[in-house]
Amino acid sequence: GAGVSQSPRYKVAKRGQDVALRCDPISGHVSLFWYQQALGQGPEFLTYFQNEAQLDKSGLPSDRFFAERPEGSVSTLKIQRTQQEDSAVYLCASSLPGANVLTFGAGSRLTVL
Amino acid sequence: AQKVTQAQTEISVVEKEDVTLDCVYETRDTTYYLFWYKQPPSGELVFLIRRNSFDEQNEISGRYSWNFQKSTSSFNFTITASQVVDSAVYFCAAGSSGSARQLTFGSGTQLTVLP
Repeated sequence: GAGVSQSPRYKVAKRGQDVALRCDPISGHVSLFWYQQALGQGPEFLTYFQNEAQLDKSGLPSDRFFAERPEGSVSTLKIQRTQQEDSAVYLCASSLPGANVLTFGAGSRLTVL
Repeated sequence: AQKVTQAQTEISVVEKEDVTLDCVYETRDTTYYLFWYKQPPSGELVFLIRRNSFDEQNEISGRYSWNFQKSTSSFNFTITASQVVDSAVYFCAAGSSGSARQLTFGSGTQLTVLP
């Protein structure tokens, strides 16, 4: 596609529910990133894929967070047993191989009640 | 690892004024990249500029200009003759030139341009 597409744009979950956030990167972008942006803060790195390989997951805050990109294209960020502190905007970004200019999607805003 | 500090949380100016957004970075890398992104109310981060650590030449693009000074570890962003459409949150970020591709962002500066 022309840009990075994320869905859903808005998600409200009750505490304890599992959620799945989808990212469709720009065609041909082998690198894919997930960031978490809390209200009033800058984005913080969660995890990075090169094709289907998850090369860095050092930013995932707990083992409740899991990301996958099984075919090297679409990626899903899953949060299990959501907590209120998980409320944030989750941004996906992609880039060409070897480049570090990231193209971001509009994000998925998660609110945990 | 990098650290990026944007000390200005909010700035408000009147249209046509010039405004400078400050960015100070810390890094142990000898080669690194610096970025500015704009985040309008729609939420999508829009890339504005990337600067390599070995290139201290200042850059101008229309009403935008960037001043990179390694001696003070600063990468400041100036908007000349600001417009209402410039209202957004602006983020400075730093990235490594190595295999790690993630960016470290500052906390952002909310710019409001009043008509």
